[in-house]
Amino acid sequence: QKEVEQNSGPLSVPEGAIASLNCTYSDRGSQSFFWYRQYSGKSPELIMFIYSNGDKEDGRFTAQLNKASQYVSLLIRDSQPSDSATYLCAVVPSNDYKLSFGAGTTVTVRA
Amino acid sequence: KAGVTQTPRYLIKTRGQQVTLSCSPISGHRSVSWYQQTPGQGLQFLFEYFSETQRNKGNFPGRFSGRQFSNSRSEMNVSTLELGDSALYLCASSLAGQIQETQYFGPGTRLLVL
Repeated sequence: QKEVEQNSGPLSVPEGAIASLNCTYSDRGSQSFFWYRQYSGKSPELIMFIYSNGDKEDGRFTAQLNKASQYVSLLIRDSQPSDSATYLCAVVPSNDYKLSFGAGTTVTVRA
Repeated sequence: KAGVTQTPRYLIKTRGQQVTLSCSPISGHRSVSWYQQTPGQGLQFLFEYFSETQRNKGNFPGRFSGRQFSNSRSEMNVSTLELGDSALYLCASSLAGQIQETQYFGPGTRLLVL
């Protein structure tokens, strides 16, 4: 079982719609969860982090964490063409300072 | 504040050669982690250094090694290069390498092994 799994893409959404990205993780003791965005040919850049159960909003982005279900998601509201990128879910396993990444979900926003 | 810098940005080597990549963390950051990104395997953790000590290591062969200097700059070395080592090598820095800290990535070094 992979440490971090993301819903397979690619995900195509029309401009202005909501893009929903999902991620599950295997280590129940994981404490830190991150969403990175990676444009083609570029390095990952942090979008959001979440540590506690519930929702966390930052502008058009909302991260949701459910530790009981070992599930973290990212919602992108009012999607823009500039949101077209690969979104990487990253988890810090318990007692282990490293990032375990999912394979990424590629999002394309259609104008 | 300047971000994480990596040199060189691009590198072409042949099989059997060795390579050294450099990473300068954000000023004040003392933890440096290295990752390898390939289309097939995605982003994989190589190792993490803090205060010149390797604290954590991923599942890579011994050909992959690293070190950290007193100014927190880090280098990674790959010896006896193989075709499969062609990848984007990313380093990331954080303040103290604590579990609830964000890691910030550099632009990466793209290595091509021929």
